[in-house]
Amino acid sequence: NAGVTQTPKFRVLKTGQSMTLLCAQDMNHEYMYWYRQDPGMGLRLIHYSVGEGTTAKGEVPDGYNVSRLKKQNFLLGLESAAPSQTSVYFCASNVAGVTYNEQFFGPGTRLTVL
Amino acid sequence: KNEVEQSPQNLTAQEGEFITINCSYSVGISALHWLQQHPGGGIVSLFMLSSGKKKHGRLIATINIQEKHSSLHITASHPRDSAVYICAVRYSGAGSYQLTFGKGTKLSVIP
Repeated sequence: NAGVTQTPKFRVLKTGQSMTLLCAQDMNHEYMYWYRQDPGMGLRLIHYSVGEGTTAKGEVPDGYNVSRLKKQNFLLGLESAAPSQTSVYFCASNVAGVTYNEQFFGPGTRLTVL
Repeated sequence: KNEVEQSPQNLTAQEGEFITINCSYSVGISALHWLQQHPGGGIVSLFMLSSGKKKHGRLIATINIQEKHSSLHITASHPRDSAVYICAVRYSGAGSYQLTFGKGTKLSVIP
């Protein structure tokens, strides 16, 4: 199993450009998450999904959109990139259940917005 | 805002030393996680705790629910343990899917 994969690994954008980050997992997990990690701050949740076709806002959703058309994929979109969105983005997933389960993380995408 | 505090922020140890990293949180939780972030950036889950103590190899994690505090211990530390260790909690409450993360403790183990 590949686990959680992210595409691309690195990207440089100019202010105002758009892009989509792809997260894929092959573990049949119901829950998927997008986080951003900034220097001096803990990981912060952008959006999450508890199943195919459903998404919800996390702590810092502004400027991002997401879609979960297939169970294995969770897409994060930036419609008009801003320098404040320069960050490392992590996708994660876990199985659903009454007892919360550990999250499996992707390798991260380093995004720079100039 | 519910926060997760870790201490110390940075820690340098000699190889073989016993290491303790602390995590405190402010309100009731349903689970606490310890994660390891390697220098290359990858994040892996080490432990998930809701009570008591767990051990895996040289790593031990404990939690005191009453005191809202958890510790991660590393025995006989080794340079390969050098990483950022992150504490994260899931607060109690219906529909609480979110983890709240600490800022991490950067550990450097010197040969």
